[in-house]
Amino acid sequence: GAVVSQHPSRVICKSGTSVKIECRSLDFQATTMFWYRQFPKQSLMLMATSNEGSKATYEQGVEKDKFLINHASLTLSTLTVTSAHPEDSSFYICSATGLLDTQYFGPGTRLTVL
Amino acid sequence: GQQVMQIPQYQHVQEGEDFTTYCNSSTTLSNIQWYKQRPGGHPVFLIQLVKSGEVKKQKRLTFQFGEAKKNSSLHITATQTTDVGTYFCAGEAGGGNKLTFGTGTQLKVEL
Repeated sequence: GAVVSQHPSRVICKSGTSVKIECRSLDFQATTMFWYRQFPKQSLMLMATSNEGSKATYEQGVEKDKFLINHASLTLSTLTVTSAHPEDSSFYICSATGLLDTQYFGPGTRLTVL
Repeated sequence: GQQVMQIPQYQHVQEGEDFTTYCNSSTTLSNIQWYKQRPGGHPVFLIQLVKSGEVKKQKRLTFQFGEAKKNSSLHITATQTTDVGTYFCAGEAGGGNKLTFGTGTQLKVEL
């Protein structure tokens, strides 16, 4: 089956620093990748949609200058949280779709900002 | 914007009892998907329903898609401790594969 990986799985950083999270589709080419954020005990909220080679489309209320998304290839998308603050602490999950449009989710990255 | 609500928010059952979670969308959906998320884990795809009134079964799990394509349900027969987790529905409307996740139902199963 389709496998999506994320790296790192956990990251702790100081307030004001930037953190990059990678999302890779390991055995298929992902035409579209999605980035979600999930706060404790809450649902997944879509942050942005990225297509290879084009600018990401951000959902309302998500700051594009704070959450930089780069979809450089058909197997890799990165999310950079710039100038992270404690309120950015969350579980960040990516998903990827291939030709059949089914979304395959990565294992998630737990970000803690001190 | 589109909203997807689920009830109940929490459900505690004794092992062997049945469980149902209901999902309601504010807009008509092109399809609905169901995911299970174990504590500390990520969502795992269970099933996708596309047709109005569709019913699908996976062993002890029964999924339904409403006639109006705005609601759905997941029913688990004779729950087991392995069923513990949060069940999310996720609706797609308007194309682009964008999913709006429901609020989730957390299931706890006690022996």
